[in-house]
Amino acid sequence: SQKIEQNSEALNIQEGKTATLTCNYTNYSPAYLQWYRQDPGRGPVFLLLIRENEKEKRKERLKVTFDTTLKQSLFHITASQPADSATYLCAPEGGNYNTDKLIFGTGTRLQVFP
Amino acid sequence: DAGITQSPRHKVTETGTPVTLRCHQTENHRYMYWYRQDPGHGLRLIHYSYGVKDTDKGEVSDGYSVSRSKTEDFLLTLESATSSQTSVYFCAIRKDRGLMDEQYFGPGTRLTVT
Repeated sequence: SQKIEQNSEALNIQEGKTATLTCNYTNYSPAYLQWYRQDPGRGPVFLLLIRENEKEKRKERLKVTFDTTLKQSLFHITASQPADSATYLCAPEGGNYNTDKLIFGTGTRLQVFP
Repeated sequence: DAGITQSPRHKVTETGTPVTLRCHQTENHRYMYWYRQDPGHGLRLIHYSYGVKDTDKGEVSDGYSVSRSKTEDFLLTLESATSSQTSVYFCAIRKDRGLMDEQYFGPGTRLTVT
């Protein structure tokens, strides 16, 4: 079955640095992948979507890459700020040509220190 | 926030009692989803709906049922609550713009089964 892996350890970085989070998937090839942000006690919030034929997608300080050979997506936040501290979830589409569903990773918690 | 509300926001119930959670949306989107979120497991899909009276199972549907008699409401029922169903439950909608649309989440319901 499909498996999504994100680094369960928290990522701690200094303000102003670039944060890079990793999402690996196995046993299938999703047609697209989404990234969400979740703050404590709140629901996830959509950030970016990248399709399988796109190598890179940018939005302001955010950048996502999608390597279908490595079966990996990287999520970058440049010039990170303490307000970027949150848990970031990777969510490829459900596979088996069922784009009705997403499969969520367990998320990586990012902590940005001043 | 795509006009999504969940009720109740918090509930404590006893093992063996029935529980119904409600998700309400104000924008008439076709797709609605119920997830549960637990430490170490991330967000897992319980059931989803792609229209009035049209529903399908997710990866953790055992012990749960759903109903959608109106576009705006998606109900999740635990017929006989168990302690393993203690969790935070999130409802989400998908905006109908294509096959790869992002999801918007409600604020969540924290359910404790004692």
